[in-house]
Amino acid sequence: QKEVEQDPGPLSVPEGAIVSLNCTYSNSAFQYFMWYRQYSRKGPELLMYTYSSGNKEDGRFTAQVDKSSKYISLFIRDSQPSDSATYLCAIINNAGNMLTFGGGTRLMVKP
Amino acid sequence: NAGVMQNPRHLVRRRGQEARLRCSPMKGHSHVYWYRQLPEEGLKFMVYLQKENIIDESGMPKERFSAEFPKEGPSILRIQQVVRGDSAAYFCASSLSSGGTGNTIYFGEGSWLTVV
Repeated sequence: QKEVEQDPGPLSVPEGAIVSLNCTYSNSAFQYFMWYRQYSRKGPELLMYTYSSGNKEDGRFTAQVDKSSKYISLFIRDSQPSDSATYLCAIINNAGNMLTFGGGTRLMVKP
Repeated sequence: NAGVMQNPRHLVRRRGQEARLRCSPMKGHSHVYWYRQLPEEGLKFMVYLQKENIIDESGMPKERFSAEFPKEGPSILRIQQVVRGDSAAYFCASSLSSGGTGNTIYFGEGSWLTVV
């Protein structure tokens, strides 16, 4: 079983839709969770960083962690074509020095 | 992520040649990480370095790959005798500190290695 699993997509939505991106992880000891956005031929860009369970909101983006079910979500409200990218969830080990990434979900927002 | 500088952005090497990838971390960051992204695969951890020290190289292939982060200058990822399977995007990342609390890791734009 992979440590972090993510549906590869692609996920295609119309502009303005609410997008839900999800990951599951296997090790309940993990406490720090991140979402990165990666455009084609670019480096991953940090979007959200959350600790433990709960929600964190930043503009149109909301990150949610459910530690009881080992489930991580990223919601994008009012999606825009510029949101079209690959979204990577990542967990960081408790030593804080290694990220384990999911395989990424490719999102396409159609105008 | 503009603060982590990688070069070259694109590199073409023939089989058997050496590839050297350079990374300058964000200003003030002393922790450097290298990740590899193979075509159609996710990002995989390779190595974690601090100045003059390799802290964790559990993701590095046992042969042909080495990394350093000298006291002065950029971090270098070196691949000797490249093979076609080394063709990938190599990303460098840096952070201000290590440790879970508030440790944000920023990535560079990557170096795309093509072995022909």
